[in-house]
Amino acid sequence: EAGVTQFPSHSVIEKGQTVTLRCDPISGHDNLYWYRRVMGKEIKFLLHFVKESKQDESGMPNNRFLAERTGGTYSTLKVQPAELEDSGVYFCASSDGHLQYFGPGTRLTVT
Amino acid sequence: GIQVEQSPPDLILQEGANSTLRCNFSDSVNNLQWFHQNPWGQLINLFYIPSGTKQNGRLSATTVATERYSLLYISSSQTTDSGVYFCAGYTGGFKTIFGAGTRLFVKA
Repeated sequence: EAGVTQFPSHSVIEKGQTVTLRCDPISGHDNLYWYRRVMGKEIKFLLHFVKESKQDESGMPNNRFLAERTGGTYSTLKVQPAELEDSGVYFCASSDGHLQYFGPGTRLTVT
Repeated sequence: GIQVEQSPPDLILQEGANSTLRCNFSDSVNNLQWFHQNPWGQLINLFYIPSGTKQNGRLSATTVATERYSLLYISSSQTTDSGVYFCAGYTGGFKTIFGAGTRLFVKA
């Protein structure tokens, strides 16, 4: 069974540009989560989808971040326009219950 | 206040030694999980342990929900155990709160 996959693995962009991160959850998992770890600090919750619906987006830092999950399958997280403080590792996880399975993360560097 | 607090922040072990990592969590946090982030950055779930004790090989975990803490035991540590160990719990539904982690280095 394939695990959670994320694309790209690394992204380097300039301040002001747009970046879109993608997450493909484990097949059949209704729950999908986005997290980020900035500057080696705590892993912070961004939002939680159940199928295509946003259940909790209280962790989204501001309106420059937009997450979607069309059709309840893969999800995208768009940052527009990117700022320096957005640099970090963005993780996606999926679950069919309480146990969350994490993807390898996307390392985003904004210069 | 801090909802999920881990100790110690850093730990260095000689290969073969045992260790105990602690996670304290507030009243608003439940459904504890333990994760290991390996040196390549991959987060691996170790245990989903809202209460009680579970064991998986050299690792075991115990959560005493009434006293708001969880312990992760690593026995006969190996160099491959190195990395960061996180505990996390849900607060308000499925919103997951992570502790700051315990960074473990096992020396050969």
